[in-house]
Amino acid sequence: KAGVTQTPRYLIKTRGQQVTLSCSPISGHRSVSWYQQTPGQGLQFLFEYFSETQRNKGNFPGRFSGRQFSNSRSEMNVSTLELGDSALYLCASSYSNYGYTFGSGTRLTVV
Amino acid sequence: EDQVTQSPEALRLQEGESSSLNCSYTVSGLRGLFWYRQDPGKGPEFLFTLYSAGEEKEKERLKATLTKKESFLHITAPKPEDSATYLCAVQGLGNEKLTFGTGTRLTIIP
Repeated sequence: KAGVTQTPRYLIKTRGQQVTLSCSPISGHRSVSWYQQTPGQGLQFLFEYFSETQRNKGNFPGRFSGRQFSNSRSEMNVSTLELGDSALYLCASSYSNYGYTFGSGTRLTVV
Repeated sequence: EDQVTQSPEALRLQEGESSSLNCSYTVSGLRGLFWYRQDPGKGPEFLFTLYSAGEEKEKERLKATLTKKESFLHITAPKPEDSATYLCAVQGLGNEKLTFGTGTRLTIIP
């Protein structure tokens, strides 16, 4: 069965721009979580969605937002990009919140 | 707040040399402790979930164990293809998020 699909794989953006990342979960998985991974901070939780509702949010500024659609696909948006937003953004999906399958991530570089 | 500390940060072993990776954690009610393997440029790959102290799980050359304060990932007779970063994460009761440690970068030398 297909895994978690994230698009695009790579992105280069300029400071001040905004960006939208996409995640398609495993079929049947209704929970989608987003994480930011940087060399200094490791994996940091951004937010989690279940049935189009945000259930939990990490300690990130309001520039980071997300949503989930009725087919469980999810998007995250970062507005007014800063250099420090350069990171690997990972999406994970789960059927029952007892096991999370990650995608390969989107590598965002802000210049 | 949930916390996870992994040690060592990096470990170099000869092929066939067994060792253990440590994950110390604090959480207000453990829902699950997760081990992942991550290769460069890829997302974490799920290895194990442990739910209660005393639980053990095995997969090929890997064995994960759990106590009330820490988990160990034992690697027996490792091969070069076991080289990766191993991540530990905890999930608290009533919580949807995983809290990760910073990982152990394992290198197996042929």
